[in-house]
Amino acid sequence: AQKITQTQPGMFVQEKEAVTLDCTYDTSDQSYGLFWYKQPSSGEMIFLIYQGSYDEQNATEGRYSLNFQKARKSANLVISASQLGDSAMYFCAMREGQRDSNYQLIWGAGTKLIIKP
Amino acid sequence: DSGVTQTPKHLITATGQRVTLRCSPRSGDLSVYWYQQSLDQGLQFLIQYYNGEERAKGNILERFSAQQFPDLHSELNLSSLELGDSALYFCASKRDRAGYGYTFGSGTRLTVV
Repeated sequence: AQKITQTQPGMFVQEKEAVTLDCTYDTSDQSYGLFWYKQPSSGEMIFLIYQGSYDEQNATEGRYSLNFQKARKSANLVISASQLGDSAMYFCAMREGQRDSNYQLIWGAGTKLIIKP
Repeated sequence: DSGVTQTPKHLITATGQRVTLRCSPRSGDLSVYWYQQSLDQGLQFLIQYYNGEERAKGNILERFSAQQFPDLHSELNLSSLELGDSALYFCASKRDRAGYGYTFGSGTRLTVV
Protein backbone atom coordinates (compact mmCIF):
# COMPACT_ATOMS: atom_id res chain seq x y z
CA ALA A 1 0.00 0.00 0.00
CA GLN A 2 1.13 3.49 -0.71
CA LYS A 3 2.37 5.50 2.21
CA ILE A 4 3.76 8.93 3.02
CA THR A 5 5.94 9.48 6.05
CA GLN A 6 6.79 12.84 7.56
CA THR A 7 9.03 12.18 10.52
CA GLN A 8 9.17 15.70 11.94
CA PRO A 9 6.00 16.53 13.89
CA GLY A 10 7.31 20.01 14.60
CA MET A 11 10.23 22.29 13.83
CA PHE A 12 11.49 25.61 15.10
CA VAL A 13 13.64 27.62 12.71
CA GLN A 14 15.19 31.04 13.01
CA GLU A 15 13.91 33.63 10.57
CA LYS A 16 16.00 33.92 7.37
CA GLU A 17 17.48 30.47 7.77
CA ALA A 18 16.81 27.71 5.25
CA VAL A 19 14.68 24.80 6.39
CA THR A 20 14.26 21.28 5.09
CA LEU A 21 11.07 19.34 5.72
CA ASP A 22 11.42 15.62 5.28
CA CYS A 23 9.12 13.35 3.32
CA THR A 24 9.59 9.73 2.36
CA TYR A 25 7.16 7.72 0.33
CA ASP A 26 6.46 4.15 -0.54
CA THR A 27 4.98 3.04 -3.82
CA SER A 28 5.37 0.24 -6.31
CA ASP A 29 4.23 2.40 -9.21
CA GLN A 30 6.70 3.75 -11.73
CA SER A 31 4.53 6.77 -12.44
CA TYR A 32 3.61 8.95 -9.51
CA GLY A 33 3.65 12.54 -8.38
CA LEU A 34 4.59 14.27 -5.17
CA PHE A 35 3.07 17.44 -3.81
CA TRP A 36 3.69 19.80 -0.95
CA TYR A 37 0.93 21.86 0.58
CA LYS A 38 0.97 24.56 3.24
CA GLN A 39 -1.84 24.94 5.74
CA PRO A 40 -1.70 28.17 7.79
CA SER A 41 -3.61 28.50 11.03
CA SER A 42 -6.54 29.92 9.07
CA GLY A 43 -7.07 26.43 7.66
CA GLU A 44 -6.87 26.76 3.91
CA MET A 45 -4.69 24.35 1.96
CA ILE A 46 -2.20 26.06 -0.33
CA PHE A 47 -0.41 24.21 -3.13
CA LEU A 48 3.34 24.84 -3.08
CA ILE A 49 5.20 22.58 -5.45
CA TYR A 50 4.93 19.40 -7.55
CA GLN A 51 7.43 16.78 -8.67
CA GLY A 52 6.64 14.06 -11.18
CA SER A 53 8.43 10.74 -10.93
CA TYR A 54 9.83 11.11 -14.43
CA ASP A 55 10.97 14.70 -13.98
CA GLU A 56 14.74 14.77 -14.32
CA GLN A 57 15.25 18.03 -12.51
CA ASN A 58 14.19 18.98 -9.03
CA ALA A 59 11.15 21.23 -8.98
CA THR A 60 11.51 24.84 -7.85
CA GLU A 61 8.93 27.53 -7.18
CA GLY A 62 10.36 30.75 -5.86
CA ARG A 63 11.74 30.10 -2.37
CA TYR A 64 10.52 26.50 -2.47
CA SER A 65 12.45 23.65 -3.96
CA LEU A 66 11.94 19.93 -3.80
CA ASN A 67 14.94 17.71 -3.17
CA PHE A 68 13.83 14.61 -5.04
CA GLN A 69 15.91 11.48 -4.45
CA LYS A 70 14.11 8.76 -6.33
CA ALA A 71 16.29 5.84 -5.27
CA ARG A 72 15.83 6.77 -1.63
CA LYS A 73 12.13 7.53 -2.17
CA SER A 74 12.42 10.90 -0.57
CA ALA A 75 10.95 14.25 -1.57
CA ASN A 76 12.09 16.83 0.92
CA LEU A 77 10.84 20.40 0.76
CA VAL A 78 13.45 23.11 1.10
CA ILE A 79 12.40 26.62 2.00
CA SER A 80 15.15 29.17 1.53
CA ALA A 81 15.38 32.36 3.59
CA SER A 82 12.45 31.53 5.84
CA GLN A 83 9.97 34.23 6.77
CA LEU A 84 7.58 34.62 9.68
CA GLY A 85 4.71 33.98 7.28
CA ASP A 86 6.08 30.52 6.60
CA SER A 87 4.85 29.38 10.00
CA ALA A 88 2.24 26.75 9.18
CA MET A 89 1.57 23.03 8.83
CA TYR A 90 3.21 21.48 5.80
CA PHE A 91 1.89 18.35 4.17
CA CYS A 92 3.56 16.03 1.73
CA ALA A 93 1.21 14.09 -0.53
CA MET A 94 1.47 11.57 -3.33
CA ARG A 95 -0.65 10.50 -6.25
CA GLU A 96 -0.14 7.34 -8.20
CA GLY A 97 -0.91 6.54 -11.79
CA GLN A 98 -1.13 8.51 -15.00
CA ARG A 99 -4.84 8.94 -15.41
CA ASP A 100 -5.24 12.49 -14.27
CA SER A 101 -8.95 12.24 -13.86
CA ASN A 102 -8.94 9.20 -11.66
CA TYR A 103 -6.64 9.46 -8.70
CA GLN A 104 -6.59 10.87 -5.24
CA LEU A 105 -3.85 12.08 -2.93
CA ILE A 106 -2.35 10.11 -0.08
CA TRP A 107 -1.21 12.43 2.70
CA GLY A 108 1.50 12.49 5.28
CA ALA A 109 0.76 13.47 8.88
CA GLY A 110 2.28 16.91 8.40
CA THR A 111 5.05 18.97 9.98
CA LYS A 112 4.29 22.04 12.04
CA LEU A 113 6.87 24.69 11.20
CA ILE A 114 7.34 27.68 13.46
CA ILE A 115 9.62 30.50 12.37
CA LYS A 116 11.20 32.41 15.23
CA PRO A 117 11.94 36.13 14.84
CA ASP B 1 -9.34 33.48 -3.41
CA SER B 2 -8.42 30.04 -4.80
CA GLY B 3 -11.40 29.89 -7.13
CA VAL B 4 -12.92 26.92 -5.29
CA THR B 5 -15.88 28.03 -3.20
CA GLN B 6 -17.11 26.10 -0.21
CA THR B 7 -20.15 26.94 1.85
CA PRO B 8 -20.80 27.24 4.66
CA LYS B 9 -17.46 28.04 6.31
CA HIS B 10 -18.63 26.93 9.73
CA LEU B 11 -21.40 24.62 10.78
CA ILE B 12 -22.46 23.60 14.25
CA THR B 13 -25.09 20.93 14.56
CA ALA B 14 -26.32 18.31 16.96
CA THR B 15 -25.75 14.57 16.90
CA GLY B 16 -28.19 12.69 14.74
CA GLN B 17 -28.73 15.59 12.36
CA ARG B 18 -28.05 15.83 8.64
CA VAL B 19 -26.06 18.55 6.88
CA THR B 20 -25.12 19.41 3.32
CA LEU B 21 -21.79 20.91 2.37
CA ARG B 22 -21.50 22.65 -0.97
CA CYS B 23 -18.57 23.11 -3.30
CA SER B 24 -18.18 25.04 -6.54
CA PRO B 25 -15.00 24.05 -8.41
CA ARG B 26 -12.66 26.43 -10.13
CA SER B 27 -13.83 27.44 -13.57
CA GLY B 28 -12.79 24.83 -16.12
CA ASP B 29 -12.08 22.10 -13.59
CA LEU B 30 -14.09 18.92 -14.11
CA SER B 31 -12.87 16.92 -11.12
CA VAL B 32 -14.08 17.49 -7.58
CA TYR B 33 -12.59 15.74 -4.60
CA TRP B 34 -13.77 15.70 -1.02
CA TYR B 35 -11.35 15.29 1.87
CA GLN B 36 -11.86 15.10 5.59
CA GLN B 37 -9.27 16.47 8.00
CA SER B 38 -9.63 15.41 11.61
CA LEU B 39 -7.25 15.56 14.53
CA ASP B 40 -7.08 11.82 15.01
CA GLN B 41 -7.04 10.62 11.41
CA GLY B 42 -5.37 13.44 9.53
CA LEU B 43 -6.33 14.07 5.93
CA GLN B 44 -8.40 11.39 4.30
CA PHE B 45 -9.81 11.13 0.83
CA LEU B 46 -13.55 10.64 0.80
CA ILE B 47 -14.80 10.65 -2.77
CA GLN B 48 -14.09 11.96 -6.26
CA TYR B 49 -16.38 13.08 -9.06
CA TYR B 50 -15.42 13.77 -12.63
CA ASN B 51 -17.84 15.60 -14.88
CA GLY B 52 -20.83 14.38 -12.94
CA GLU B 53 -19.76 10.79 -12.46
CA GLU B 54 -18.38 9.17 -9.35
CA ARG B 55 -14.82 8.07 -10.07
CA ALA B 56 -13.30 6.92 -6.83
CA LYS B 57 -14.27 6.28 -3.25
CA GLY B 58 -12.02 6.42 -0.26
CA ASN B 59 -12.79 6.14 3.43
CA ILE B 60 -16.30 7.47 3.11
CA LEU B 61 -18.86 6.25 5.62
CA GLU B 62 -22.18 4.86 4.46
CA ARG B 63 -23.86 7.74 6.31
CA PHE B 64 -22.11 10.10 3.90
CA SER B 65 -22.99 10.62 0.27
CA ALA B 66 -22.11 13.06 -2.46
CA GLN B 67 -23.06 14.10 -5.94
CA GLN B 68 -21.88 16.40 -8.69
CA PHE B 69 -24.47 18.34 -10.61
CA PRO B 70 -24.53 19.30 -14.33
CA ASP B 71 -23.13 22.73 -13.50
CA LEU B 72 -20.23 20.84 -11.84
CA HIS B 73 -20.89 22.01 -8.31
CA SER B 74 -20.84 19.23 -5.76
CA GLU B 75 -22.59 18.54 -2.50
CA LEU B 76 -21.48 16.30 0.36
CA ASN B 77 -24.32 15.04 2.52
CA LEU B 78 -23.56 13.88 6.05
CA SER B 79 -26.36 12.19 7.96
CA SER B 80 -26.91 10.69 11.42
CA LEU B 81 -24.03 12.82 12.58
CA GLU B 82 -21.82 11.67 15.40
CA LEU B 83 -19.35 13.58 17.56
CA GLY B 84 -16.52 11.93 15.66
CA ASP B 85 -17.67 13.51 12.42
CA SER B 86 -16.43 16.87 13.66
CA ALA B 87 -13.71 17.84 11.22
CA LEU B 88 -12.63 20.21 8.50
CA TYR B 89 -14.09 19.12 5.19
CA PHE B 90 -12.24 20.22 2.10
CA CYS B 91 -13.34 20.27 -1.46
CA ALA B 92 -10.65 20.42 -4.13
CA SER B 93 -10.80 20.67 -7.89
CA LYS B 94 -8.22 19.84 -10.49
CA ARG B 95 -7.52 20.30 -14.15
CA ASP B 96 -6.62 17.28 -16.21
CA ARG B 97 -2.90 17.90 -16.32
CA ALA B 98 -0.49 15.96 -14.18
CA GLY B 99 1.68 18.90 -13.25
CA TYR B 100 -0.99 20.89 -11.51
CA GLY B 101 -1.87 20.40 -7.88
CA TYR B 102 -5.32 20.38 -6.54
CA THR B 103 -6.87 23.73 -5.78
CA PHE B 104 -8.54 23.58 -2.43
CA GLY B 105 -11.43 25.51 -1.11
CA SER B 106 -11.15 27.11 2.31
CA GLY B 107 -13.02 24.23 3.89
CA THR B 108 -16.13 23.80 5.98
CA ARG B 109 -15.47 23.35 9.66
CA LEU B 110 -18.15 21.04 11.04
CA THR B 111 -18.69 20.79 14.76
CA VAL B 112 -21.10 18.17 16.03
CA VAL B 113 -22.26 18.75 19.59
